[in-house]
Amino acid sequence: RKEVEQDPGPFNVPEGATVAFNCTYSNSASQSFFWYRQDCRKEPKLLMSVYSSGNEDGRFTAQLNRASQYISLLIRDSKLSDSATYLCVVNIRTGANNLFFGTGTRLTVIP
Amino acid sequence: NAGVTQTPKFQVLKTGQSMTLQCAQDMNHEYMSWYRQDPGMGLRLIHYSVGAGITDQGEVPNGYNVSRSTTEDFPLRLLSAAPSQTSVYFCASRGSTEAFFGQGTRLTVV
Repeated sequence: RKEVEQDPGPFNVPEGATVAFNCTYSNSASQSFFWYRQDCRKEPKLLMSVYSSGNEDGRFTAQLNRASQYISLLIRDSKLSDSATYLCVVNIRTGANNLFFGTGTRLTVIP
Repeated sequence: NAGVTQTPKFQVLKTGQSMTLQCAQDMNHEYMSWYRQDPGMGLRLIHYSVGAGITDQGEVPNGYNVSRSTTEDFPLRLLSAAPSQTSVYFCASRGSTEAFFGQGTRLTVV
């Protein structure tokens, strides 16, 4: 069973739309949560951390539900530049504190 | 700031050849790791290191070796390349939270 599961998409949305991505994780020892963004043929880069109380960074809102082991990312007012793959990432603090990545959800914002 | 420098960017190997992917970071991070990324599989952890002289296996270590003689460098060695090792490889360095990735190596084994 994968540590992190994501809907791979693709999600094709018009500019200005609101889109939500979901992710589930299987290990209850997961302690930290993140969303990374990966552009085509580039390396992943941190988009935002996800805190228990939920957090917002401009048009992006991340939420965590520990009871359901569920993480979400909401993007409001989508821009063409938001087109990328969004990776859900968890840090499992058993042993070496490794990061585990979901397969990613691909978003294309259409003019 | 260089961050994480990974070389080469592209490589084609013949089955059975060996090679080393280089990774260096200038952020004084103790934790470094190697991932491979395949379509539909996401990033999978190959090996990681929590400090100089300390390495351990990740999810998919077979066919790869690592060493960590300094804090800065964490090379990945393919011992005898196989077509199943065709992939994109990323080196990552991490401080307290954020992981920084190298630009990736696109490896094709023919």
